[in-house]
Amino acid sequence: NAGVTQTPKFRVLKTGQSMTLLCAQDMNHEYMYWYRQDPGMGLRLIHYSVGEGTTAKGEVPDGYNVSRLKKQNFLLGLESAAPSQTSVYFCASSYPRGGNNQPQHFGDGTRLSIL
Amino acid sequence: SQQGEEDPQALSIQEGENATMNCSYKTSINNLQWYRQNSGRGLVHLILIRSNEREKHSGRLRVTLDTSKKSSSLLITASRAADTASYFCATGEYGNKLVFGAGTILRVKS
Repeated sequence: NAGVTQTPKFRVLKTGQSMTLLCAQDMNHEYMYWYRQDPGMGLRLIHYSVGEGTTAKGEVPDGYNVSRLKKQNFLLGLESAAPSQTSVYFCASSYPRGGNNQPQHFGDGTRLSIL
Repeated sequence: SQQGEEDPQALSIQEGENATMNCSYKTSINNLQWYRQNSGRGLVHLILIRSNEREKHSGRLRVTLDTSKKSSSLLITASRAADTASYFCATGEYGNKLVFGAGTILRVKS
């Protein structure tokens, strides 16, 4: 039982390149989230999904796209990477039983540098 | 926009001492959660307190919530070197999202 797995763990991109970050969870969770963490700013929500085939914007969605084609996977895409997107990206998942805002389970992050 | 703001930003204590971290928030909440993050790792959920609860315990952790003051505190008793980490509060607003604060960095010296 791996929980939430993020790939890759590290990546260096050049400005303008594109890439996709993969998040997979094996807990049958309905909700999945993508955050970015920057020094001194905590976590900020990029996009989230409340079920297979659905996505919604979070606090900082610009420059990112997401897809949730399968319940266990949530993909984050950078269409044209910019240095401002240098950050640590975290995926999380949660199960809605018991009401809203249930505890979230996090992966160990993807460290992305854009040169 | 950040909802929770932790105080202090950093805390350094000796092993065996208690550590207290505070969180203030601005709007009505459904619940408030505390998470721990070890260096280079993801966040780990510690404890959840609902808006109609005032205090909750889990092992060496004690969380209080004062909705009239829009504040919460996390107390770690008898701290250990392994408690060294960043601690974040997150507010659950009416919906499916959490809003995280900037965190408190705790260092426990042995």
